[in-house]
Amino acid sequence: EDKVVQSPLSLVVHEGDTVTLNCSYEVTNFRSLLWYKQEKKAPTFLFMLTSSGIEKKSGRLSSILDKKELFSILNITATQTGDSAVYLCGGSNYKLTFGKGTLLTVNP
Amino acid sequence: DADVTQTPRNRITKTGKRIMLECSQTKGHDRMYWYRQDPGLGLRLIYYSFDVKDINKGEISDGYSVSRQAQAKFSLSLESAIPNQTALYFCATSDWTSEVNEQFFGPGTRLTVL
Repeated sequence: EDKVVQSPLSLVVHEGDTVTLNCSYEVTNFRSLLWYKQEKKAPTFLFMLTSSGIEKKSGRLSSILDKKELFSILNITATQTGDSAVYLCGGSNYKLTFGKGTLLTVNP
Repeated sequence: DADVTQTPRNRITKTGKRIMLECSQTKGHDRMYWYRQDPGLGLRLIYYSFDVKDINKGEISDGYSVSRQAQAKFSLSLESAIPNQTALYFCATSDWTSEVNEQFFGPGTRLTVL
């Protein structure tokens, strides 16, 4: 059975801090690792990673995949209150298996 | 207009009632999915369909059934709703030509079973 584990499950930081969210996976016939952000509504797509060691970056967010160690990290620098959300990681073969998510709270 | 729509957006029903949640998409995607989300449990796959003639069970299909009426429509039914099916339900779509399976989510249906 495919499995995705995220850590930590919740995190509270102050504005301006840098955070690292972790995602480990065991997915048969793995094709990609996807990150989503969810703010009290539907998840919105952040990144899709298919190759090891290649960082994807969008503004203050970045993510990288290690296919040998079967994990990915999502970094957020200079956090803002608007970054408060649940961050979901999903491992994909022909379907997506999600982790339980990390609840990030950024306090002013 | 939204690419993936779900109806209803909110529903309150009683134990034992039959409920249908509907999903429509205008993205032209072949693959459609139903998930449920419970606090602290992430998204769990109920059923998925890769085309109109293809239906597959996900990890939590018991108590649910689906119908793929057309490429653009995928309905989820609860034949006899029970309180532990109270959850937020999401429909999602993806393009079969994409090997990496990026999924696009509808706005969700909040279902409460009393």
